[in-house]
Amino acid sequence: SAVISQKPSRDICQRGTSLTIQCQVDSQVTMMFWYRQQPGQSLTLIATANQGSEATYESGFVIDKFPISRPNLTFSTLTVSNMSPEDSSIYLCSTTLGAETQYFGPGTRLLVL
Amino acid sequence: AQSVTQPDIHITVSEGASLELRCNYSYGATPYLFWYVQSPGQGLQLLLKYFSGDTLVQGIKGFEAEFKRSQSSFNLRKPSVHWSDAAEYFCAVGENYGGATNKLIFGTGTLLAVQP
Repeated sequence: SAVISQKPSRDICQRGTSLTIQCQVDSQVTMMFWYRQQPGQSLTLIATANQGSEATYESGFVIDKFPISRPNLTFSTLTVSNMSPEDSSIYLCSTTLGAETQYFGPGTRLLVL
Repeated sequence: AQSVTQPDIHITVSEGASLELRCNYSYGATPYLFWYVQSPGQGLQLLLKYFSGDTLVQGIKGFEAEFKRSQSSFNLRKPSVHWSDAAEYFCAVGENYGGATNKLIFGTGTLLAVQP
């Protein structure tokens, strides 16, 4: 399995501000994914980030709100822009190893006041 | 549309008792199926997966799951539950794109409590 780390592990932010979450993988991977887990809810895919191309967003998520960077094969960032309390969630990155299996980072717990 | 249903939101079992968590899926082709566990304050850990072949798959921590195509189910089982198994369990189906898994669709999760 891959070792995936995320920074920060948690944060408390004021509404209207932005937070950038970093995801680092210990090996080179093609696909990285960003998920959101709202309080008491399941996980929902925000976008897929492939190195060298624009991220692909799922229905209901837009680039202006959740810009993603993928500068190399081991790293990605997700920014949560112009935050509101509804953005309070756990944000998780993941990647696939062996094509079929996704492994997840520990998550970033975000509280927006 | 693809979907995953976990009918049990919350289950309580006694330590040492057997466990079965239910998962039903809706998917047009042969799915990739997964069970993940999320302990409090932790990320998701993969318990087991099914891609093809033997329909009974073994995972970590003594868990197993059985794929039943006729019932569109992938139930998770453990013969004897330990207190440390208390966590939330997510079933997921992976969309299969030419052998690679892209999007994972998760069920709503089952929260397992273990009584001493």
